[in-house]
Amino acid sequence: SQKIEQNSEALNIQEGKTATLTCNYTNYSPAYLQWYRQDPGRGPVFLLLIRENEKEKRKERLKVTFDTTLKQSLFHITASQPADSATYLCALPTGGFKTIFGAGTRLFVKA
Amino acid sequence: DGGITQSPKYLFRKEGQNVTLSCEQNLNHDAMYWYRQDPGQGLRLIYYSQIVNDFQKGDIAEGYSVSREKKESFPLTVTSAQKNPTAFYLCASRGAGLNNEQFFGPGTRLTVL
Repeated sequence: SQKIEQNSEALNIQEGKTATLTCNYTNYSPAYLQWYRQDPGRGPVFLLLIRENEKEKRKERLKVTFDTTLKQSLFHITASQPADSATYLCALPTGGFKTIFGAGTRLFVKA
Repeated sequence: DGGITQSPKYLFRKEGQNVTLSCEQNLNHDAMYWYRQDPGQGLRLIYYSQIVNDFQKGDIAEGYSVSREKKESFPLTVTSAQKNPTAFYLCASRGAGLNNEQFFGPGTRLTVL
């Protein structure tokens, strides 16, 4: 069955450094991949979409890569700030209107 | 102010009681979803609806029921048949945008005592 894996261990980094989060998937060839941010006790918020024919996508301090051979996406936050502390989820469409979400990686940025 | 609202934010119920969670959207989206989120797990799809008066079971529909009588509303009933109902419940909607993103409500935390 289709599966998404994100590092379950929290990522702790110092302010100003680049945070890199990983999303791996199996048994699937998605047309695109999404990243969402979720703050504690709140619903996820969409950040970026990258399509299968795009190697890299940028939005302000965010950069996403998509390697369909490795079946992996990397999510980078450059010049990280304490306000970037949150859980980041990757998501893949599974056909029709359905999407599967990874469990997320918790990021802590220390001032 | 467009968005999705869920109410209540926190809900407590006794075991054996049915409870209905509200979800309303004013984004004019056709598709709506209900997810359940447990600690350390991804969002799991309970039910989804692509259009009014139509809905499909997701991956964990047992013990839940929904209705979609209006485009704006997609209430979820957690029945007494749901074996482990305590969880964080999220409602979402999706429109026809280029990013196919889902817009989420603030969630309802249900605790069954």
